[in-house]
Amino acid sequence: QQQVKQSPQSLIVQKGGISIINCAYENTAFDYFPWYQQFPGKGPALLIAIRPDVSEKKEGRFTISFNKSAKQFSLHIMDSQPGDSATYFCAASISSALSNTGNQFYFGTGTSLTVIP
Amino acid sequence: DAGVIQSPRHEVTEMGQEVTLRCKPISGHNSLFWYRQTMMRGLELLIYFNNNVPIDDSGMPEDRFSAKMPNASFSTLKIQPSEPRDSAVYFCASSLETTDTQYFGPGTRLTVL
Repeated sequence: QQQVKQSPQSLIVQKGGISIINCAYENTAFDYFPWYQQFPGKGPALLIAIRPDVSEKKEGRFTISFNKSAKQFSLHIMDSQPGDSATYFCAASISSALSNTGNQFYFGTGTSLTVIP
Repeated sequence: DAGVIQSPRHEVTEMGQEVTLRCKPISGHNSLFWYRQTMMRGLELLIYFNNNVPIDDSGMPEDRFSAKMPNASFSTLKIQPSEPRDSAVYFCASSLETTDTQYFGPGTRLTVL
């Protein structure tokens, strides 16, 4: 059973456009929602993360929007650049502050983003 | 810090052979995760350890897979015997108990012929 559902599977955006990737979850106990970015041949790396006490978090051109009632969160990449071309994974977990056995991530299936020059 | 270290980076082996993948987590981190990534199934959690103790191994595909963490600075994932369907990229990640960020290694690309 997929704990986190991610869409779309792939996305093509023109340079300067907005890229939007959506995720949905079921477990209301989740309280930590990171986004990871993965370039070909590399391991995933944390891009930005949010906790459910805020509805939005922005870091540079990257913004997470969080809707607790709908159990959905999304990544917005403003002014998309060819260097943003990568695979993006959303994830959800019960934070280590609430778990005494570490924080297991439940990853979405990934979105392959291509930004066309 | 050197980050999470994995070896080997690439492994090509023949069906039936034993394969051992190695991981050195970031110093001080006390949670370690093994993931498998394929085009078909995406990023799957195989097993994770907390303070060297296996917490959840429900993602381990079958008895051919085993993982150990004999100390805080080393873990292995073993496949015996290996099969072509085990071909994938295997990632190790570590995190600090008091934070939530998982740091991934560069991965081991396994090809079983």
